[in-house]
Amino acid sequence: NAGVTQTPKFRILKIGQSMTLQCTQDMNHNYMYWYRQDPGMGLKLIYYSVGAGITDKGEVPNGYNVSRSTTEDFPLRLELAAPSQTSVYFCASSYWQGDTEAFFGQGTRLTVV
Amino acid sequence: DQQVKQNSPSLSVQEGRISILNCDYTNSMFDYFLWYKKYPAEGPTFLISISSIKDKNEDGRFTVFLNKSAKHLSLHIVPSQPGDSAVYFCAARGDLINNDMRFGAGTRLTVKP
Repeated sequence: NAGVTQTPKFRILKIGQSMTLQCTQDMNHNYMYWYRQDPGMGLKLIYYSVGAGITDKGEVPNGYNVSRSTTEDFPLRLELAAPSQTSVYFCASSYWQGDTEAFFGQGTRLTVV
Repeated sequence: DQQVKQNSPSLSVQEGRISILNCDYTNSMFDYFLWYKKYPAEGPTFLISISSIKDKNEDGRFTVFLNKSAKHLSLHIVPSQPGDSAVYFCAARGDLINNDMRFGAGTRLTVKP
């Protein structure tokens, strides 16, 4: 039972490069989320999706893009990477919002140098 | 704007004793609260939650207490076990329309044998 799978686990990017963080879930969840966690801080919501074809901004969306072409996949795109995007990124999914928990992937540690 | 605060970055307790982790929030619109546990190099995993219509929820060794008037919640672990050593995040969510689950910065719990 894979749950939420993120790739890659680690990545070093140079300033100005771009990359896509992959996220897939096999629980048939409608809701998917991308969070970032900076050192000593809580998780902050970057983007979320309530279903295939529907995405919306969270608390810290600048510098990122997402798409949701299928229920299973929710990739996060970084264009023109900046040192401020150095963080640990977590993808999560839930059956719906409200009084239910979200399931998280293992995280992607990204360093921009 | 940190709407969910965990003021203790770390807590150390002896095995068998009670661990009490605290969390404060500022937004009175939050109506659902969750605790997540995170081991190194893993994503957060859901532990326990409580709705704002309750003041206590218990699940085995874990109990969450909610004091709405003080905008404060706490997680009690009794008895504490070495395997409980992890970072604990408090999270809060607003009404069913609001997808933005706000997280505290986390408290690192160490349970000593």
